[in-house]
Amino acid sequence: DADVTQTPRNRITKTGKRIMLECSQTKGHDRMYWYRQDPGLGLRLIYYSFDVKDINKGEISDGYSVSRQAQAKFSLSLESAIPNQTALYFCATSDLPPSTDTQYFGPGTRLTVL
Amino acid sequence: AQSVTQLDSHVSVSEGTPVLLRCNYSSSYSPSLFWYVQHPNKGLQLLLKYTSAATLVKGINGFEAEFKKSETSFHLTKPSAHMSDAAEYFCVVSGISGGSNYKLTFGKGTLLTVNP
Repeated sequence: DADVTQTPRNRITKTGKRIMLECSQTKGHDRMYWYRQDPGLGLRLIYYSFDVKDINKGEISDGYSVSRQAQAKFSLSLESAIPNQTALYFCATSDLPPSTDTQYFGPGTRLTVL
Repeated sequence: AQSVTQLDSHVSVSEGTPVLLRCNYSSSYSPSLFWYVQHPNKGLQLLLKYTSAATLVKGINGFEAEFKKSETSFHLTKPSAHMSDAAEYFCVVSGISGGSNYKLTFGKGTLLTVNP
């Protein structure tokens, strides 16, 4: 469904370029997350935000930054893209406790850095 | 600390035969456990969730999973595979990490192939 949308869905860029991936949600959730997926590694958390003024680093935040423009919007930026950032990127949302542990995912953005 | 291990990276079954995808977990707390499915070029869809209410959890599309605390397992099953079940499946454990921050830990995934 379209509760969590991501743009663009696919992007090819060159090393050193600045890239922004955008995520929007209509679920009304306060909590939003960015993950990357690499083959054979599952999903790893990059950044998460509990509200507009609360942003936290995940386990692999180096080389990335985020912006929470509104409750419904959470953007991920690569300031200077490098080839090992080639991956599938997912945005997710969750509700407040005790429902926080169920996350709802967007369709993903496939990023290729040449 | 918490972790999740999916015991098979690839499972291949014939259409109409049972499916078993295995998952073991470890957690310092009473965890919530999930199975997500990812079809090709699609996002992750929640299949089912265990939250200590009942050990046998029924999900969408005929899947179910049984929580076995003594074995620290949460295996996913389906009695009869359908071609549309071909996808990658992720076992996920959730535990509290600081305050009310629920940390999700993903397994590495099991690719299910369904042969005609």
